Amino acid sequence: SQQGEEDPQALSIQEGENATMNCSYKTSINNLQWYRQNSGRGLVHLILIRSNEREKHSGRLRVTLDTSKKSSSLLITASRAADTASYFCLIYGQNFVFGPGTRLSVLP
Amino acid sequence: GAGVSQSPRYKVAKRGQDVALRCDPISGHVSLFWYQQALGQGPEFLTYFQNEAQLDKSGLPSDRFFAERPEGSVSTLKIQRTQQEDSAVYLCASSGQGATEAFFGQGTRLTVV
Repeated sequence: SQQGEEDPQALSIQEGENATMNCSYKTSINNLQWYRQNSGRGLVHLILIRSNEREKHSGRLRVTLDTSKKSSSLLITASRAADTASYFCLIYGQNFVFGPGTRLSVLP
Repeated sequence: GAGVSQSPRYKVAKRGQDVALRCDPISGHVSLFWYQQALGQGPEFLTYFQNEAQLDKSGLPSDRFFAERPEGSVSTLKIQRTQQEDSAVYLCASSGQGATEAFFGQGTRLTVV
């Protein structure tokens, strides 16, 4: 069973808008990693945030981590149609479990 | 190799057949993970190795599933007497020392007919 939860399950936005996805977890973590998966393709690593970090940036991606609330968020700014994919958080702690994912659709 | 390599990419098995799925991790990576991903779902953890030691196999769904990594490098996931519910993509990942990024292979798509 998965120990992570993500919301929303699905998100549909217009190109140029920002997209925010959230991941919550139950146990203590070493780090939390975000991945993208295009339909039928492999998992692409996006960003890793360690338990002692609060925020990280990579290009149009911004990840935050709130260990007191046991939650993380992924923000994609100025979205593009090519960002259409499923996004998963990987909770790297006592276990190594994924959240159920958010299916993002960016409409041109 | 440059990344995690899995073979075969696709496998069709008749119900009751045994299958073996191979994972070549990134050279030098000590941690290796196996996941099962059903269509439209997130990856589900199966098992975890640190070098040759299988430290966690809590996700293996039944005793028909067996994984090994005898020399701390290549790993094999074996499924005995396959059932239709075993149909899924099996993903392998590896990471280096100290809880670093996990890199995933392209997966093996298993279809049991």
